[in-house]
Amino acid sequence: EVQLLESGGGLVQPGGSLRLSCEASGFTFSSFALSWVRQAPGKGLEWVSAVNRGGSTTYYADSVKGRFTISRDNSKNMVFLQMNSLRAEDTAVYYCVKDPLHHPRYYFDFWGQGTLVTVSS
Amino acid sequence: EIVLTQSPGTLSLSPGERATLSCRASQTVSDNYLAWYQQKSGQAPRLVIYGASSRATGIPDRFRGSGSGTDFTLTIIRLEPEDFAVYFCQQYGSSPRTFGQGTKVEIK
Repeated sequence: EVQLLESGGGLVQPGGSLRLSCEASGFTFSSFALSWVRQAPGKGLEWVSAVNRGGSTTYYADSVKGRFTISRDNSKNMVFLQMNSLRAEDTAVYYCVKDPLHHPRYYFDFWGQGTLVTVSS
Repeated sequence: EIVLTQSPGTLSLSPGERATLSCRASQTVSDNYLAWYQQKSGQAPRLVIYGASSRATGIPDRFRGSGSGTDFTLTIIRLEPEDFAVYFCQQYGSSPRTFGQGTKVEIK
């Protein structure tokens, strides 16, 4: 059974930093791309960032480019999202999601339960 | 980027009725790379349809996806109580991957 377990969310002040983690199990982690998708309270879904299976290529939404960094550790079956210079508009539930193939350009076949990030003073 | 517009915003129906959800794209979705997700209250989204018409693993055949180009439809043939939820469409034919704003299917 595929499982994606996010952690690291919480309350942070504007301008602050937070690092999200996602631990995966139930599939061959190093064979698939991973992404982060967020959902602001009561709002829709927004793709944030993605990384290919090897970790060599990363992708970002314009709204987070230059502030967020995605990475992965295939030896530990984990993917991370380093979030810097956080803004109120980054407040959302952040989902760790799995792509169905090695390259992050498809739909999302499995989702974690999400971790809430609140940016507020 | 491709903007997806879903309609209606809310659909009020009774169990056993047919639900028809629309997703319209601002540009042609390459290769009909269009997916649908179901999100129940307080839960993560779940993949329902990919490639416009292919059902994801474990999705019952009362869920039907159709369409091409810029106009796509998710039809739930006969609503079951567990189908009442919010449904999002997503295109992955162009970068960045984008979502529609969602259609809520509620019990009438």
